[in-house]
Order: sequence, then C-alpha cells, then structure tokens
Amino acid sequence: GQQLNQSPQSMFIQEGEDVSMNCTSSSIFNTWLWYKQDPGEGPVLLIALYKAGELTSNGRLTAQFGITRKDSFLNISASIPSDVGIYFCAGQGAGKSTFGDGTTLTVKP
Amino acid sequence: DAGITQSPRHKVTETGTPVTLRCHQTENHRYMYWYRQDPGHGLRLIHYSYGVKDTDKGEVSDGYSVSRSKTEDFLLTLESATSSQTSVYFCAIRDDRVNTEAFFGQGTRLTVV
Repeated sequence: GQQLNQSPQSMFIQEGEDVSMNCTSSSIFNTWLWYKQDPGEGPVLLIALYKAGELTSNGRLTAQFGITRKDSFLNISASIPSDVGIYFCAGQGAGKSTFGDGTTLTVKP
Repeated sequence: DAGITQSPRHKVTETGTPVTLRCHQTENHRYMYWYRQDPGHGLRLIHYSYGVKDTDKGEVSDGYSVSRSKTEDFLLTLESATSSQTSVYFCAIRDDRVNTEAFFGQGTRLTVV
C-alpha cells in the first residue's frame, strides 16, 4: 500500500520557538491533510490542501502542498504549551486517506 | 465534534469472542470510516461506507466486517477477536465542505486477552 514518511518522529522545543515538520511519499496525492491529536482523543483536522503549490494558514499554523504532489510541510510559529500533541499528515487519493506515523511535539515553558 | 459518538469507549474481551463496536452520527453525513491506531503509528483504514448498505474495504480489513443499515450508524464487527486486534478504534465522518475525514470520534480502546 501507499506509505508516508513523516519527520521528525518527535520534537522537544522551547515555548516561543517555531516548528517545522514534513511528510513525503512515493505516490502522488490529490489532497494533503494535517491533523492534531491530544491524548485520549481523536484527531482534529487542522488544515486541508487541495492544489499543488497551495499555501494555507490557520492562525499560527501554515501548511504547503508540494509542487510534485508527493510532499507537504507544516509550520507552527511562536509555539505555546497547548501546541503539545501528536501531529499527523495524511495524503488522500481515490477517496481514501493514508496517514503518516505522526510527529510528537513537546513544548517546554 | 459533528455529533459522533462511539460505544463502548473501553472493552476487554477474550480471544475468539465476537465483538461489535458502534459509531453513531447525528448529522446525516454520507461517508463514514473505521480506523485502527496502534502505538507509535498513524491511523490505518479498516473499512468505510459511502451510503446505507454501501461499504468497501480499507488497508487492514482482514478479520473485520462492517454494516450500515441506517445512515446514522456504522458498526464494526470482529467475528472472532485475536490479540493482534488489540488497538484503539476510531470512527470518522467526511465533511463535504472539505471533502475529507474531518471529524473523528473519541475512540474505543479494545483489549483482547
């Protein structure tokens, strides 16, 4: 099946720092998605990207759909303690989504 | 949360027993999904439904069956539970405004002993 490589696997940062994470795939996707999951909860959709090259923001979050349609990145600016959690990318094609293994973010006050 | 509820939230069952998990939605969404999540991994699609009585297999469908007799309910059944099916199961629905799985339930933690 399709595989997504999400990196880094984990990040430990200081409050106020910027964060960048990315996903790459050997397959082309029509849509790229970014989710956040808090402990004991289901994922929450943060950003959806629909076109190659698209750059979309949601507050302090910015995500881009790579030109090749095989990658995407997510940036978080000026991190705060409530940003902690697991961030997942997902690529969607043929109506189904394939998820990366997640980036665990820890923010130190 | 788009009115998604999963039941039960936690279950412990013995190997070889049948188990049914329920996902209920209140907003008439057409597409519903069942995923499993294992430690250190993302979500993997088990089955999905695109309407009443319309279902299809996902990436890890072996050992699972689903049914959707009403728009609001999507059932996942493990016919004979195995220890490898110990996992957290999430139901999701597609929001047509974003054309993707936008809302997830809170999950069902299933332990097969």
